[in-house]
Amino acid sequence: QQQVKQSPQSLIVQKGGISIINCAYENTAFDYFPWYQQFPGKGPALLIAIRPDVSEKKEGRFTISFNKSAKQFSLHIMDSQPGDSATYFCAARGYGGATNKLIFGTGTLLAVQP
Amino acid sequence: DAGVIQSPRHEVTEMGQEVTLRCKPISGHDYLFWYRQTMMRGLELLIYFNNNVPIDDSGMPEDRFSAKMPNASFSTLKIQPSEPRDSAVYFCATNYHYGYTFGSGTRLTVV
Repeated sequence: QQQVKQSPQSLIVQKGGISIINCAYENTAFDYFPWYQQFPGKGPALLIAIRPDVSEKKEGRFTISFNKSAKQFSLHIMDSQPGDSATYFCAARGYGGATNKLIFGTGTLLAVQP
Repeated sequence: DAGVIQSPRHEVTEMGQEVTLRCKPISGHDYLFWYRQTMMRGLELLIYFNNNVPIDDSGMPEDRFSAKMPNASFSTLKIQPSEPRDSAVYFCATNYHYGYTFGSGTRLTVV
């Protein structure tokens, strides 16, 4: 049973444009929402994360927007660069250390064209 | 820190053979996770350990799959017998508080 839905499946953006990837979750017990970036042949790497007590978090060109009431969160990549071309995964983690497992979205393949 | 180390990086085996994937976690990380990645199903959690104890193995697809963590420095994922549908990239990840660190994965091909 998929608990984190991610869209779009793929995205093409021009260099300098804004890339937006959306995720929605169903389980209100999630307490941590990270985004991971994966390059071909590599494992996913943590990019940025947010807790549900804030509505936005920004790190450089990457911003997470979080809407708790709608159970949605999104990743915005400003001034997208060809080097940002990768697969991006949203994820969510349940409350408490005993359930310390991440549920991943299906991924978005981002291509930034020069 | 060398990060999460997985071996082998690539494994090609014949159907019916036993396959063992290995993972060395980051020292001090008390959680260890095994994920499988395929185009069709994305990243699937197979099993995870806390302080070397298996906590949730509900994602293990069949009895052909087994995982062990004999100590804090080592974990294995074994498939016996292997089948072509097991072909995937298998990732090990470790965690302390927030933020998982993934290894580079083992690409398994069963022919």
